[in-house]
Amino acid sequence: KQEVTQIPAALSVPEGENLVLNCSFTDSAIYNLQWFRQDPGKGLTSLLLIQSSQREQTSGRLNASLDKSSGRSTLYIAASQPGDSATYLCAVRQRATGANNLFFGTGTRLTVIP
Amino acid sequence: GAGVSQTPSNKVTEKGKYVELRCDPISGHTALYWYRQSLGQGPEFLIYFQGTGAADDSGLPNDRFFAVRPEGSVSTLKIQRTERGDSAVYLCASSSAGGPYNEQFFGPGTRLTVL
Repeated sequence: KQEVTQIPAALSVPEGENLVLNCSFTDSAIYNLQWFRQDPGKGLTSLLLIQSSQREQTSGRLNASLDKSSGRSTLYIAASQPGDSATYLCAVRQRATGANNLFFGTGTRLTVIP
Repeated sequence: GAGVSQTPSNKVTEKGKYVELRCDPISGHTALYWYRQSLGQGPEFLIYFQGTGAADDSGLPNDRFFAVRPEGSVSTLKIQRTERGDSAVYLCASSSAGGPYNEQFFGPGTRLTVL
């Protein structure tokens, strides 16, 4: 069964720092990987979707990379702001199970200190 | 242009009761997904609809859980004889089509508390 792990579980940084969130997955046979943001008590907001044939995707201050063969993805956040404080989840779409569902990690809770 | 909506936002019920949770997908989206998120965990897949039919219900934990989508738009997740362990946030997502390459868009969730 696909296992998705996110490290660290929690992270606090001062405003303005660049930071990296890590995601690893055990089965590299994936269609794509998606990064989400979740604010307390809220649903998920999609940030970036990387297809398996792609190496990275960028949106504003966010950059996500994918190394499918090693089962890793990173989310890079540049010049962090207090408004970036949230839980960040990664999820993969796995080939073996018919690709109908996303397998999620448990998330990294980010706090950006003003 | 509205996103995925879910009602109610919060539901408190007593053990043994029946509950229904509603999801309105983005207009025109044919694929609809239900997930369950327990405290401190990532969401876990429950069921996937393509149009009116449940194409994959392998994530439903037991036969107390059932979902329908009779007209291929709104979906209802039904839980019979609720148990305290059913307490979680139930998330709905939709995508423009089925298949593995389409982005899923999530609703705000329904927080279910079983007393």
